[in-house]
Amino acid sequence: AQTVTQSQPEMSVQEAETVTLSCTYDTSESDYYLFWYKQPPSRQMILVIRQEAYKQQNATENRFSVNFQKAAKSFSLKISDSQLGDAAMYFCAYRRGGGGADGLTFGKGTHLIIQP
Amino acid sequence: DTAVSQTPKYLVTQMGNDKSIKCEQNLGHDTMYWYKQDSKKFLKIMFSYNNKELIINETVPNRFSPKSPDKAHLNLHINSLELGDSAVYFCASKITGVGSPLHFGNGTRLTVT
Repeated sequence: AQTVTQSQPEMSVQEAETVTLSCTYDTSESDYYLFWYKQPPSRQMILVIRQEAYKQQNATENRFSVNFQKAAKSFSLKISDSQLGDAAMYFCAYRRGGGGADGLTFGKGTHLIIQP
Repeated sequence: DTAVSQTPKYLVTQMGNDKSIKCEQNLGHDTMYWYKQDSKKFLKIMFSYNNKELIINETVPNRFSPKSPDKAHLNLHINSLELGDSAVYFCASKITGVGSPLHFGNGTRLTVT
């Protein structure tokens, strides 16, 4: 079974600084997708970024970027120029490839605190 | 124009009662899910449906019964509620297709007293 591990229960960063959230996963599949979701106090689950395992290029969305290391099964999220609105729980998630009805397997989350 | 909507947002009920949570998506997606988020924020899949057909049924007590009247709706009925059922329940949907992400509703906080 696939597992997703987020080893940092909580991280704190100063506003405008850069922070990296760690995620490792375990799978025997070669085709899969990785995601980062953000859950602010409003409880909404918001997609931050997505990475296809077959793509070597790291995904980027504005201030959010990933460092995808397939051999190491690592998928970290870098947030640049942190803003107060980035404060949230961040979940790393895995899904097997194939386009089927498989759901996401989530890590336990990292609580990100932004210090003003 | 909410994409995935769940009702109610909050549900407080007593042990032993039966309750339902409704979910509707207007994204034209064909796959829908129920997830449970426990008090430690861990998210675990409960069910998935594709075109009204049950695909995934994780180890969930049979007091939980999903129903999909059409591919835009997936409701969750819970019988004989227990204290341990207290959690946030999320509905999600996606289109069948390579790499498509899940779109989540805003969750239903269920409190069993």
